[in-house]
Amino acid sequence: DAGITQSPRHKVTETGTPVTLRCHQTENHRYMYWYRQDPGHGLRLIHYSYGVKDTDKGEVSDGYSVSRSKTEDFLLTLESATSSQTSVYFCAISDLDGDNQPQHFGDGTRLSIL
Amino acid sequence: QKEVEQNSGPLSVPEGAIASLNCTYSDRGSQSFFWYRQYSGKSPELIMSIYSNGDKEDGRFTAQLNKASQYVSLLIRDSQPSDSATYLCAVKRSGGYQKVTFGTGTKLQVIP
Repeated sequence: DAGITQSPRHKVTETGTPVTLRCHQTENHRYMYWYRQDPGHGLRLIHYSYGVKDTDKGEVSDGYSVSRSKTEDFLLTLESATSSQTSVYFCAISDLDGDNQPQHFGDGTRLSIL
Repeated sequence: QKEVEQNSGPLSVPEGAIASLNCTYSDRGSQSFFWYRQYSGKSPELIMSIYSNGDKEDGRFTAQLNKASQYVSLLIRDSQPSDSATYLCAVKRSGGYQKVTFGTGTKLQVIP
């Protein structure tokens, strides 16, 4: 299994509070991604990173920010959580450049915002 | 039109039968195609990759790609109850930042 650890695995919080999810990898892969998965929508990309301090937006980035200060860590922050951000969040990694590199996923974080 | 389309299912097949899962995509520039299996409450797990037209076999799994028809499929031979899961089709464009687009998945039920 790819060495990807997401924390926390489960979190319940209230609307308006800040939330930070962590993704830690031991594979030294260049690319890291944050997705959310919702029924009927599949996996949607929130933000991705292509190196330390190099990040960019995905298709559903509003309300989210990310940081990558080390190769192994990619943080996703909800500055002021809303109920629409209740979801399952997955971190993924992929190696090198090139078209044939698949993404491998962490175990996910189930986030509930009340 | 969705970028990657899959029938949501459920697709029910008897144990031992062949399960056929289909996926169509809209971006003709797509070069890499992946199948992931996702058990309920778990994360997606890569089971097959295919990059060239034709068939690619790995054990009981065969991926088929037809770029002219923008169609990719996954065949599971000798289906087992343990194959019951949601199967996600993923398509990657050539170049760029490794963006991958996922279908919403097909739920497969293998009936003992």
